[in-house]
Amino acid sequence: GENVEQHPSTLSVQEGDSAVIKCTYSDSASNYFPWYKQELGKRPQLIIDIRSNVGEKKDQRIAVTLNKTAKHFSLHITETQPEDSAVYFCAASRNDYKLSFGAGTTVTVRA
Amino acid sequence: DTAVSQTPKYLVTQMGNDKSIKCEQNLGHDTMYWYKQDSKKFLKIMFSYNNKELIINETVPNRFSPKSPDKAHLNLHINSLELGDSAVYFCASSQVVAGGSEQFFGPGTRLTVL
Repeated sequence: GENVEQHPSTLSVQEGDSAVIKCTYSDSASNYFPWYKQELGKRPQLIIDIRSNVGEKKDQRIAVTLNKTAKHFSLHITETQPEDSAVYFCAASRNDYKLSFGAGTTVTVRA
Repeated sequence: DTAVSQTPKYLVTQMGNDKSIKCEQNLGHDTMYWYKQDSKKFLKIMFSYNNKELIINETVPNRFSPKSPDKAHLNLHINSLELGDSAVYFCASSQVVAGGSEQFFGPGTRLTVL
């Protein structure tokens, strides 16, 4: 089955700096790569996703890059703000019924 | 209106008891899921149902039995609860499209087994 590894497990950044989270996946047939944000005590919510036919996608301060050859993808958050503090999960999927999640990255933005 | 709802929000029970968690979605989606999030925040799929049919069963103990009476509901019944079942259980739904689709999560049910 799919194995998704996520690094780092924790990340502390100064407000205004950038944050980068990296994930690797094992199944070369995976074709859908979403990122979810989970604030403390809340549900996970999709913040951005990318499909295998695209190398990069951007939405305001967040961007995701995908390298299919190397089987890794990354989340970039620029100009971090206190409300960016949360746990971020990457995931990969080869079919429409199962998402395999990474272990999560706890991001803390220091004011 | 709440898109994906779960009841109860909290569940505290003794080992050996049987309990159920209910989930409903009003998004018109055709696929629903149950996830378990343990104390280390790891999210793991348990079950996936498409149009009331079981699609994914991720080696979950037989004590866990999902039931989907219709496309909008997916309930989870747990028999003979064990300490290790303590976790947050999330229901989710999506409208399956080729190439992947967003999953919408419910608020979660925090289960504590004493």
